Amino acid sequence: GENVEQHPSTLSVQEGDSAVIKCTYSDSASNYFPWYKQELGKGPQLIIDIRSNVGEKKDQRIAVTLNKTAKHFSLHITETQPEDSAVYFCAASSGSARQLTFGSGTQLTVLP
Amino acid sequence: DAGITQSPRHKVTETGTPVTLRCHQTENHRYMYWYRQDPGHGLRLIHYSYGVKDTDKGEVSDGYSVSRSKTEDFLLTLESATSSQTSVYFCAISEGTGQDEQFFGPGTRLTVL
Repeated sequence: GENVEQHPSTLSVQEGDSAVIKCTYSDSASNYFPWYKQELGKGPQLIIDIRSNVGEKKDQRIAVTLNKTAKHFSLHITETQPEDSAVYFCAASSGSARQLTFGSGTQLTVLP
Repeated sequence: DAGITQSPRHKVTETGTPVTLRCHQTENHRYMYWYRQDPGHGLRLIHYSYGVKDTDKGEVSDGYSVSRSKTEDFLLTLESATSSQTSVYFCAISEGTGQDEQFFGPGTRLTVL
């Protein structure tokens, strides 16, 4: 089955700096890669996603890049703000029912 | 927010008792999923459904069963709860038909003593 590894597990940045979270996956059949933000006590919220026919996608301060050959994808957050502090999860989708396999999460803390 | 509710939101039970968690959606989405979240493991798929009465196992299905008798409801049952099933349980839905996005409910925190 699919295996997704995520790094780092914790990340602290100063407000205004950029943050990068990286994930690798094992199943070359995976073709959909979402990123979720989870705030304390809440369910994961989809923030951006990318499909395997695209190398990069951007939405305001958030961007995701995908390298299919190397089987890794990354989340980039620019101009970080305190409200970006949360746990971020990457995931990879495969299978007929589009099951998601998640990374173990990154606790991002943006210091004011 | 996607129309997903979970009940109960919190439950404390004892080892050996049966427990049923409910997920209800108002989006008429075809796919429904149950995940558990534990520290250091992210979210792991327990079971999923691809239609009424159509279900299949996920990565960590042992000790769990599911049922889907209506499009809007997906039930997760722990026949005899164990302490290792203490976790936060999330339901998710997906439209299907080529749309991959999964949207998550608010979660149920289950403690098995």
